[in-house]
Amino acid sequence: GNSVTQMEGPVTLSEEAFLTINCTYTATGYPSLFWYVQYPGEGLQLLLKATKADDKGSNKGFEATYRKETTSFHLEKGSVQVSDSAVYFCALSDQVRSSASKIIFGSGTRLSIRP
Amino acid sequence: DAGVIQSPRHEVTEMGQEVTLRCKPISGHNSLFWYRQTMMRGLELLIYFNNNVPIDDSGMPEDRFSAKMPNASFSTLKIQPSEPRDSAVYFCASTRSYEQYFGPGTRLTVT
Repeated sequence: GNSVTQMEGPVTLSEEAFLTINCTYTATGYPSLFWYVQYPGEGLQLLLKATKADDKGSNKGFEATYRKETTSFHLEKGSVQVSDSAVYFCALSDQVRSSASKIIFGSGTRLSIRP
Repeated sequence: DAGVIQSPRHEVTEMGQEVTLRCKPISGHNSLFWYRQTMMRGLELLIYFNNNVPIDDSGMPEDRFSAKMPNASFSTLKIQPSEPRDSAVYFCASTRSYEQYFGPGTRLTVT
């Protein structure tokens, strides 16, 4: 079945450092790919998405490119801030039938940014 | 748009008691999902509905758990009887296509 594997955390960086969180997937068909972020005490929020191969999703300085050849969707940010401290989830859409689909989430990567 | 609304935000109950969690999805969204999140197990999908019909309940841990969606604007997740191992944060999410919108969650503590 479809699945998502992301790097285990926690990841600790200094402010203004470059961030990469690796994510690879296994899927049949052509799923959409997502990154969700969860801030402390809150639900998950969609950070960015890509719906087809070579698409780049971007938001709040974060980027990820849908790479079909390597089945990857790595999250990157050029200069992280303390406010980026959160848990990040890679995910893919899993269409069960034409009228219903669910999202398969990775295990999450906790990111902590030091001032 | 008010977003997904969950109630209560916090629930503390004693083992053996019935617990009912409530969710109001975003208007116009046709799918609704219930998740459970713990440190040990991470985020688990319990059940999801499409157009008020349960599609997949394979994630419901035991018969003690049940979920209903009587109409497009309301869903409940019930645990009867509750046990300490049910302590977790329970999230409801709704979607119109692939993008899921999560509620703030209900933190359940069973003592």
